[in-house]
Amino acid sequence: YVLTQPPSVSVAPGKTARLTCGGNNLGRKSVHWYQLRPGQAPVLVISYDTDRPSGIPERFSGSNSGNTATLTISRVEAGDEADYFCQVWDRSSDQPHVFGTGTKVTVL
Amino acid sequence: EVQLVGSGGGLVQPGGSLRLSCAASGFTFSDFDLHWVREVTGKGLEWLSSIDITGDTYYPGSVKGRFTVSRDNVKNSLYLHMDSLKAGDTAVYYCARSRTFCRGGSCPFDYWGQGTLVTVSS
Repeated sequence: YVLTQPPSVSVAPGKTARLTCGGNNLGRKSVHWYQLRPGQAPVLVISYDTDRPSGIPERFSGSNSGNTATLTISRVEAGDEADYFCQVWDRSSDQPHVFGTGTKVTVL
Repeated sequence: EVQLVGSGGGLVQPGGSLRLSCAASGFTFSDFDLHWVREVTGKGLEWLSSIDITGDTYYPGSVKGRFTVSRDNVKNSLYLHMDSLKAGDTAVYYCARSRTFCRGGSCPFDYWGQGTLVTVSS
């Protein structure tokens, strides 16, 4: 199973970033999103398409329908600059934990 | 506070072996599944192995037979033994945890370690 993400997204502070994750019938799966900052532990920012773990700002939200899941970051801040990966579990695969190709978010 | 602290990375020659460790604290270690994931620069994240609460292990075909995951529930530690290392194994290696029983069988990796760098080079 393949998850495709745009390599990069640039956004000005205070604006909204929309990161997409594409996969065949992705809407039938649960999508999780992770934030990776250099030198830091990855952080789960959205689970099960739309759930925000404790401690994650309300500015982070998610959706999933059809073949595309979207992570939306509202009122972007400099600290949101990071790589973001989507992930699904595909029970039929040799590699059941599948990660997307990742999107680098640059805050202008 | 949940903490996962990875260690054991370093420089190793092609064909060599290395054992990574991940020390856990702040939660009941034996109640969680544990995982290893690596990030190859420019290539994204790759799942490497999982070990569940019963000790059953899982690997993708790309590392099966070369990598071995284990856990010590007394020492609250997770390990990854890697053999026959290649240049393509150069990456930052992360440990992570997940719950065992989750919605629809899909368990997110809710906490991760900070990563340990493995460099395979002569």
